[in-house]
Amino acid sequence: DVVLTQTPPTLSATIGQSVSISCRSSQSLLHSNGNTYLNWLLQRPGQPPQLLIYLVSRLESGVPNRFSGSGSGTDFTLKISGVEAEDLGVYYCVQSTHAPPWTFGGGTKLELK
Amino acid sequence: VQLVESGGGLVQPGKSLKLSCSASGFTFSSYGMHWIRQAPGKGLDWVAYISSSSGTVYADAVKGRFTISRDNAKNTLYLQLNSLKSEDTAIYYCISNWAYWGQGVMVTVSS
Repeated sequence: DVVLTQTPPTLSATIGQSVSISCRSSQSLLHSNGNTYLNWLLQRPGQPPQLLIYLVSRLESGVPNRFSGSGSGTDFTLKISGVEAEDLGVYYCVQSTHAPPWTFGGGTKLELK
Repeated sequence: VQLVESGGGLVQPGKSLKLSCSASGFTFSSYGMHWIRQAPGKGLDWVAYISSSSGTVYADAVKGRFTISRDNAKNTLYLQLNSLKSEDTAIYYCISNWAYWGQGVMVTVSS
């Protein structure tokens, strides 16, 4: 099974600060069809997760463009350019390239400094 | 798009429970569906998947105990949970296409 390792586990930021979260995979997430099935989710407190980014870098409809995704192969990054209060919560990466099983990263909690 | 789970509750170890997920706002029959769970204070775990043609796959932790199914006429997804263990205690979410999540339903396995 693919193991996704997220760092850091906790991230403290001030409003307006730019931050990055890393997601590293135990094997390349490049599918034989040329796509890389790596998504980013945000789970706000008490809420179900929501999709932010799919296929590494594509912004889900309605998601602010301060969120961006990048990476390839085994190394991926989610960047927030100017944290806002509504961005607080736990971020997860999830892969579908080598599914089943679909696997998640352990999560990164973004909190206010 | 709306996904609404139901059927959760408190159940004793070894007993059974059936979760339902009512879908609306999209062509349910055309989409594969997942159950994802989250133990209290923990991360997300994939549980089971059913394709639009009703092919199924399961996480090793639930294989042989849980059964995912769907009724396209009723736009409803199901998860039958048998031989429940304390480690199955979690919020269970039904999801479609990663973009659409239900609010989740709590399953507590305890004597």
